Amino acid sequence: GENVEQHPSTLSVQEGDSAVIKCTYSDSASNYFPWYKQELGKRPQLIIDIRSNVGEKKDQRIAVTLNKTAKHFSLHITETQPEDSAVYFCAASLAGNQFYFGTGTSLTVIP
Amino acid sequence: NAGVTQTPKFQVLKTGQSMTLQCAQDMNHNSMYWYRQDPGMGLRLIYYSASEGTTDKGEVPNGYNVSRLNKREFSLRLESAAPSQTSVYFCASNFRGDEQYFGPGTRLTVT
Repeated sequence: GENVEQHPSTLSVQEGDSAVIKCTYSDSASNYFPWYKQELGKRPQLIIDIRSNVGEKKDQRIAVTLNKTAKHFSLHITETQPEDSAVYFCAASLAGNQFYFGTGTSLTVIP
Repeated sequence: NAGVTQTPKFQVLKTGQSMTLQCAQDMNHNSMYWYRQDPGMGLRLIYYSASEGTTDKGEVPNGYNVSRLNKREFSLRLESAAPSQTSVYFCASNFRGDEQYFGPGTRLTVT
């Protein structure tokens, strides 16, 4: 099956700086890559996603890049704010049925 | 729309007891999923149902059974609970190949 690795496991940045989280996947047939944000005690919520026919997608301060050749994708958050502090999960999906999640990155934005 | 709902929110079981976790969605989604979330492990798929009447095993199905009762409802049953099943359980649903929506979670403790 698919194997998704996520780094780093923890990340601290100063408010206003950028944060980058990286994920790699093993199955070249995976074609959908969502990113979820989970605040403490809450459910995961989608923040951005990308499909295998696109190399980059941006939504305000959040962007995701995908390198299919290297089988890795990254989340970029610019101008970080304290409310960005949360755990972020990447995932990879093949044909939209099974989703394989990374182990999460705990992001702390220091005011 | 209530989205994805789960009951109960919290549950404490003794080893060997059984229970059923309930999940319902009102978004007319075809696919439904059960995940468990453990510290440092991310979200791991237990079972999923791609459509009404079908169920398939995920990464960690041992010790669990599921029933897709109808298009709206997908239940998860623990026949004989073990301490290793202490976890937070999330139900999710989606249209195939699209964003997953998560329920609020059930925190289960097995003593």
